[in-house]
Amino acid sequence: EVQLVESGGDLVQSGGSLTLSCAASGFSFNIYSMNWVRQAPGKGLEWISYMTSDTRTIHYAASVKGRFTISRDNAKNSLYLQMNSLRAEDTAVYYCARSVHYAFDYWGQGILVTVSS
Amino acid sequence: DIQMTQSPSSLSASVGDRVTITCRASQSIISKLSWYQHKPGKAPKLLIYAASTLQGGVPSRFSGSGSGTYFTLSISSLQPEDFATYYCQQSYSPPLTFGGGTQVEIK
Repeated sequence: EVQLVESGGDLVQSGGSLTLSCAASGFSFNIYSMNWVRQAPGKGLEWISYMTSDTRTIHYAASVKGRFTISRDNAKNSLYLQMNSLRAEDTAVYYCARSVHYAFDYWGQGILVTVSS
Repeated sequence: DIQMTQSPSSLSASVGDRVTITCRASQSIISKLSWYQHKPGKAPKLLIYAASTLQGGVPSRFSGSGSGTYFTLSISSLQPEDFATYYCQQSYSPPLTFGGGTQVEIK
């Protein structure tokens, strides 16, 4: 069974940093591209970052570019999101999601990040 | 960036109704369009990819159509478990933008 489990969410002050992790199981993590998507309170889904299986291609949304860094450890079946210079508007539930057929076929349950101003 | 515009933003319908949601892209995305169902506190669920291909395990009452800039998601006979928010998303070019969502509520 494919599982994605996010961790690392917390309450952090504006300007602070946080690293999210996504532990993958039930599939060959090392051959799939992965993504981070978030949903702010009362808002819709926002894609924020993408990384290919070999780490050669990375994309970011403009809202996080220069502040967030996506990475992965294929030996540990894990995806990461390093978040720096956090702002109140980064408050959201963060999801990791697997890419296949140019779509996101499996998602984690999400982890809450709260940035206090 | 490619903008994705969904309509309506919300709708009220009864069990058994046929429901159609539209999604327009600001430029052609050929068929690189997916639809997701999202319920509060749950992970989003992929329904349709490549504009019209039903994801495995998704009931056949869901269907997708369109190409280029205009797409639709239809639910042929709304069931109680279908009340949720639905999102389209383009994967033609980054940023991989979502539509604003359509909340389907019980009439």
